Amino acid sequence: GAVVSQHPSRVICKSGTSVKIECRSLDFQATTMFWYRQFPKQSLMLMATSNEGSKATYEQGVEKDKFLINHASLTLSTLTVTSAHPEDSSFYICSAEGQGLQYFGPGTRLTVT
Amino acid sequence: QQQVKQSPQSLIVQKGGISIINCAYENTAFDYFPWYQQFPGKGPALLIAIRPDVSEKKEGRFTISFNKSAKQFSLHIMDSQPGDSATYFCAASMASGTYKYIFGTGTRLKVLA
Repeated sequence: GAVVSQHPSRVICKSGTSVKIECRSLDFQATTMFWYRQFPKQSLMLMATSNEGSKATYEQGVEKDKFLINHASLTLSTLTVTSAHPEDSSFYICSAEGQGLQYFGPGTRLTVT
Repeated sequence: QQQVKQSPQSLIVQKGGISIINCAYENTAFDYFPWYQQFPGKGPALLIAIRPDVSEKKEGRFTISFNKSAKQFSLHIMDSQPGDSATYFCAASMASGTYKYIFGTGTRLKVLA
């Protein structure tokens, strides 16, 4: 149980385009989902907390207009990186909260060329 | 006050040895302390977790020791195996509220065959 999936696992996009990453809780409902960013050999940096049916709460320094988060249902949250730049290249990981625990997805490797 | 300090940054252990990773926190409101294991290119996976009402928790070869007065907790991996080679993250959170995690900086463990 408590499986979280992400799609796509890898994506390459051109600079200036937008890319959407999906996070799904497969066997439980998640009122809260989290989006993290991880640079090579570094820790997970929380970007935002996504609550179903309401606006996401962004961490300090994260541009909410650049990283659009939508949590339209109890099993799906999406992160859209708008007008992507090479510096947005990173490993993006989501997690879903279930019974007070966070269950992590497998991550999405974004490369912006 | 929201930081979780983790050490060492990297660790090399012989097969069969004990791996010890330490974390310290400042915020006494934290009441949930999980450890995550992450392999390259994958999302973190929950390994073991503890709440401050117990001083030790053991699951198989993995043990968490918790010192509430010192605000420290540690992960012990007994009989370390090459398959344990991964990055380990400690985290802390408050069970009430948003369940937001504060992650340590990570420890890269390498177990030599």
